[in-house]
Amino acid sequence: QSALTQPASVSGSPGQSITISCTGTSSDVGGYNYVSWYQQHPGKAPKLMIYDVSNRPSGVSNRFSGSKSGNTASLTISGLQAEDEADYYCSSYTSSSTLNFGGGTKLTVL
Amino acid sequence: QIQLVQSGAEVKKPGASVKVSCKASGYTFTSYGINWVRQAPGQGLEWMGWISTYSADTRYAQKLQDRVTMTTDTSTSTAYMELRSLTSDDAAVYYCARSIAARRCDYWGQGTLVTVSS
Repeated sequence: QSALTQPASVSGSPGQSITISCTGTSSDVGGYNYVSWYQQHPGKAPKLMIYDVSNRPSGVSNRFSGSKSGNTASLTISGLQAEDEADYYCSSYTSSSTLNFGGGTKLTVL
Repeated sequence: QIQLVQSGAEVKKPGASVKVSCKASGYTFTSYGINWVRQAPGQGLEWMGWISTYSADTRYAQKLQDRVTMTTDTSTSTAYMELRSLTSDDAAVYYCARSIAARRCDYWGQGTLVTVSS
């Protein structure tokens, strides 16, 4: 199973909005509404930010939102803050009943 | 509160095996499965497999299925991941994460660093 495709890096200024894409196939992203997004700060464990394409776990800021169109899912962070600087990973359930991760995107807050 | 507490760092020689534990608390252990995910230094997340804590059914990543075994002990709410025939490519931080049918990882352990060195 190939990794989902994410941009290696994105950047934005405080207060701006950014979007990170996650492209798969009809066997994963396009076939199921089981896309999740994770935030990982250096040296820390990942944290679930979005699940089932667009749902936020309790305690996650509403500045984080998710969507999907076809084989591509997206994470949008609005009102960018310095604390949002981190690595972001998408994942998707697959037709093989496995979990596929994206390669990760480094978000820099300028 | 929900916690997954993993065993400590390990140093292994090439060809050896490692067994990492993950003790869950704060929820009904058998109501959720466990995903195992690893992260090599400076690299991304790699899914290794999933185990149902209810039935002990497992699903493994194809590249690891000949070397990995995932088990649980429901009496202690602990999941285990054993990886055999270690090479330098297996050096990574290994995470356990609570999961529903391998669809997502909602709570994560703190990670266990496995070093492979002769």
